Amino acid sequence: GMPVEQNPPALSLYEGAESGLRCNFSTTMKGVQWFQQNHRGRLITLFYLAQGTKENGRLKSTFNSKERYSTLHIKDAQLEDSGTYFCAVARGYKLTFGTGTSLLVDP
Amino acid sequence: EAAVTQSPRNKVAVTGGKVTLSCNQTNNHNNMYWYRQDTGHGLRLIHYSYGAGSTEKGDIPDGYKASRPSQENFSLILELATPSQTSVYFCASGDGTGGAYEQYFGPGTRLTVL
Repeated sequence: GMPVEQNPPALSLYEGAESGLRCNFSTTMKGVQWFQQNHRGRLITLFYLAQGTKENGRLKSTFNSKERYSTLHIKDAQLEDSGTYFCAVARGYKLTFGTGTSLLVDP
Repeated sequence: EAAVTQSPRNKVAVTGGKVTLSCNQTNNHNNMYWYRQDTGHGLRLIHYSYGAGSTEKGDIPDGYKASRPSQENFSLILELATPSQTSVYFCASGDGTGGAYEQYFGPGTRLTVL
């Protein structure tokens, strides 16, 4: 499948800090789905976007299909935000996953 | 609550044996998917289905078969399991109509092939 690039591959934050994760892809996509994978291995959907911006508490995501990228912004990072974050882009009714960003939040 | 469930949750198999992983969804979704996740990779699509009786090859189908006997159930079959198929397998469902591209994932099955 078409590669989906996620940056950075790894990130460390202190509690209360904020940062952004980026997902780049090479062709126009139908949408993007962001996941957090926790220490138990479960995939938790954070957002699905077909366009524009969505916000949920401390998390905010944007999807720019024309410019071929999506972002996930985390503010006021908490210990429970630690985990691996994946973006997956919708090419028709199939998803192509990026390789993830590993986030560690330290006290 | 609508859900995607997988069984078994953990499985140890021997090389050359047959393994069947099962997935059930109560979302009444048309589409179902099987992915595998290996260290250093995101999830990769093995097989998918648009409805009962249909199966399609994904990006990495070699060594796997799939079966969709009903709207609710989708199985992944390893006829001759190999150690390279040791992985975590995820099932997902998606509406598949009217531009609804979001997928809903099960908890995963950890398969070890010895």
